[in-house]
Amino acid sequence: DAGVTQSPTHLIKTRGQQVTLRCSPISGHKSVSWYQQVLGQGPQFIFQYYEKEERGRGNFPDRFSARQFPNYSSELNVNALLLGDSALYLCASSLLGAAGNTIYFGEGSWLTVV
Amino acid sequence: AQSVTQLGSHVSVSEGALVLLRCNYSSSVPPYLFWYVQYPNQGLQLLLKYTTGATLVKGINGFEAEFKKSETSFHLTKPSAHMSDAAEYFCAVSRLDDKIIFGKGTRLHILP
Repeated sequence: DAGVTQSPTHLIKTRGQQVTLRCSPISGHKSVSWYQQVLGQGPQFIFQYYEKEERGRGNFPDRFSARQFPNYSSELNVNALLLGDSALYLCASSLLGAAGNTIYFGEGSWLTVV
Repeated sequence: AQSVTQLGSHVSVSEGALVLLRCNYSSSVPPYLFWYVQYPNQGLQLLLKYTTGATLVKGINGFEAEFKKSETSFHLTKPSAHMSDAAEYFCAVSRLDDKIIFGKGTRLHILP
């Protein structure tokens, strides 16, 4: 079975632009989460979606938004990009989104803002 | 609020020596605890996790960790380091859902 897949793998954007990152969870997984990992730091939670509903949101500005589709895939959108948004964006999926569930991460999307 | 503290941003051990990566957590209720590994330019891979039951948890690649509630610790160990263990290791905690709080990571260097 395919793991969590993310696209694109690398992209470069200019300050002020908008970006959309995509994620396909493992087949059968209904929960998708997004994390931001700045160089040299641990991943930071951005969003969690379960059954197409937002279940949790981390401490990120409203420029960050996400959604989950009926097939459980997800998109993360970031508007008005800042240099500080440069990071590895990780998508993770789990079966039920419940505490203690094993969470599987994708390879990530590397975003560079110039 | 939950938090995770990893002691030592860089740890160096000789090949064949014991690996010990330290992690302390804070949580108002019994937590779920994880160790993830990240190889260069890759995503995160789960090494092991503690949910309930036996406090000594065995993971992949010969790693294990022990949950010590009295010390609020979840240190990661491996008896004999291998060159392929060189990577970034993250300790993490979750509580009510699968939102994970990660530590800042420890980069493990293996000396020949």
